[in-house]
Amino acid sequence: QVQLVESGGGVVQPGRSVRLSCDASGFIFKTYGMHWVRQAPGKGLEWVAVISHDGSHKVYGDSVKGRFTISRDNSKSTVYLQISSVKPEDTAIYYCAKSQVLQCSDDCQLFSIDVWGQGTTVSVSS
Amino acid sequence: QSVLTQPPSVSGAPGQRVTISCTGTRSNIGAGYDVHWYQQVPGKAIKLLIYGNNNRPSGVPDRFSGSRSGTSASLAITGLQAEDEADYFCQSYDSLTVLFGGGTKVTVL
Repeated sequence: QVQLVESGGGVVQPGRSVRLSCDASGFIFKTYGMHWVRQAPGKGLEWVAVISHDGSHKVYGDSVKGRFTISRDNSKSTVYLQISSVKPEDTAIYYCAKSQVLQCSDDCQLFSIDVWGQGTTVSVSS
Repeated sequence: QSVLTQPPSVSGAPGQRVTISCTGTRSNIGAGYDVHWYQQVPGKAIKLLIYGNNNRPSGVPDRFSGSRSGTSASLAITGLQAEDEADYFCQSYDSLTVLFGGGTKVTVL
């Protein structure tokens, strides 16, 4: 079955970097755009970033531009999120998620997300 | 504060009908962009309930329905069941980005 498994979270000191990974299985990974969405403790969902199926288009939420980098390796069916200069407000559960629409390119943000991972938790603390 | 506004909570007795609103602006829902709905049950993966305003993925009961009008959208749950107790989020699009509503907690009395 379709599955997304995130990893890489943990306790991170302010100002350090962390890279999250998401391993995908059960679908043809290289044909779907992929998102990262986060949820701070007790809060709602906040969209972080999306990458097109071939990695040629990347879009970021306003609050993370300049510090977050999304990337993918289609040979490994894995999507990544690099967070630089982490801040306390980056503390959240980070979900990897699959775009519902096949081969979305510069328009992945328009479409729904049909599969979500269980999330990996990043806690920023000194 | 989310650009898409949802009521923090709604409640209903088993068997009743509840609706959750998602209010946007002319630059997102009012511009004709689709609205999607998700269910979040603690300990479970987030689930797509409605896509493209009023379409249900396979496996989602027809008790769940969606609509969109003007700058708002709604999710309706008819025949409320105990298992529907969860947080619900709407999603739309604005200025190249994905927007989520703040979420609504549904309580089954």
